[in-house]
Amino acid sequence: AQSVTQLGSHVSVSEGALVLLRCNYSSSVPPYLFWYVQYPNQGLQLLLKYTSAATLVKGINGFEAEFKKSETSFHLTKPSAHMSDAAEYFCAVSQSGAGSYQLTFGKGTKLSVIP
Amino acid sequence: GAVVSQHPSRVICKSGTSVKIECRSLDFQATTMFWYRQFPKKSLMLMATSNEGSKATYEQGVEKDKFLINHASLTLSTLTVTSAHPEDSSFYICSAREFGGPTNTEAFFGQGTRLTVV
Repeated sequence: AQSVTQLGSHVSVSEGALVLLRCNYSSSVPPYLFWYVQYPNQGLQLLLKYTSAATLVKGINGFEAEFKKSETSFHLTKPSAHMSDAAEYFCAVSQSGAGSYQLTFGKGTKLSVIP
Repeated sequence: GAVVSQHPSRVICKSGTSVKIECRSLDFQATTMFWYRQFPKKSLMLMATSNEGSKATYEQGVEKDKFLINHASLTLSTLTVTSAHPEDSSFYICSAREFGGPTNTEAFFGQGTRLTVV
């Protein structure tokens, strides 16, 4: 079984400030972890993914996330927020192993960027 | 990256009618596609897993007869909402993973379909 918990359904930051979106997971086997971004009335776009290689993962648009096994966390960060970063962000987990294609999503965190 | 096209992006239908939503993988083959439903300010709820050439696997609580899924080819899956009611109004999203790819590949998502039943 696997699950994802995103702490904070809504996060507000000032433009230029650090963005930190929290994600904790549980998985009975080594996980694959993903962060997706969703803009209003659109599908999901992959920001980055962890697949058991480097624990610090860099993604698009300046985002990065660090896999910490001891904390079962995969928090998303960006040093300096832009107005265009305002969107809904979803953390997701899938299990490693053949045939494990199913993603389990967290409830999402809405990021607001204040000018 | 791979492209998944979902059509239509927005549809309004009368209560009691049926609506078909298409999900196509444009530049890769997808033996498995997933259909999600997203309620306002909520996460994505997996409705069913669609496998090419076989019956879809539905999640608990999802009515098979109401949400008909067909996966006739490696690039096309359809979701038909039958006898739609206002409570079926929602945002539906499909996703696909590449056939034969490792399980650490990401899922590619369609643009979503906003269904409004009046």
